[in-house]
Amino acid sequence: SQKIEQNSEALNIQEGKTATLTCNYTNYSPAYLQWYRQDPGRGPVFLLLIRENEKEKRKERLKVTFDTTLKQSLFHITASQPADSATYLCALSGYSTLTFGKGTMLLVSP
Amino acid sequence: GAVVSQHPSWVICKSGTSVKIECRSLDFQATTMFWYRQFPKQSLMLMATSNEGSKATYEQGVEKDKFLINHASLTLSTLTVTSAHPEDSSFYICSARPTVWEEKLFFGSGTQLSVL
Repeated sequence: SQKIEQNSEALNIQEGKTATLTCNYTNYSPAYLQWYRQDPGRGPVFLLLIRENEKEKRKERLKVTFDTTLKQSLFHITASQPADSATYLCALSGYSTLTFGKGTMLLVSP
Repeated sequence: GAVVSQHPSWVICKSGTSVKIECRSLDFQATTMFWYRQFPKQSLMLMATSNEGSKATYEQGVEKDKFLINHASLTLSTLTVTSAHPEDSSFYICSARPTVWEEKLFFGSGTQLSVL
């Protein structure tokens, strides 16, 4: 069966460091992969999309990589700030909608 | 960007009563909206796809008679949880795409339902 795995343990880092979050999947061949940010008690907010034929995508302090051979995406936040603390969800494209992972909580301490 | 508004943000109700949640697209028309449910520390689970002017498409295991979806206009979809029970307590979130070619989803702010 299709499966999306994100590290369930919270990632704690210090302000200014680079945060790296992982998304692994099995039994999928997604056309694209997306990353969303979710704050407590709020709906997710779109961050980045990367297609299967793209290796890397950047947006300001964010960078996403997509390795279809390893079936893995890495999400990086450089120069992290306390305001980056949130849960980050990866989502894989399906027939008409997205399937989400459980998300990884990121805590950036000052 | 596209804005999706969801109301109420939270609701507490007694067991056996029904609760209606509204999802509106404020600056675009949405022929399709999606309803998700999220339990604490779990992923968003797609419940149903709401289609304007036609019946909703429910995911396997979701009771369509319990979770009534109405998409009467291009900017409004409603989810009614009928005869709610404590196990229905969850975070319900709607989402939409401004166009059929848009790949990302725009989400409402979610509704926390607590059934006593």
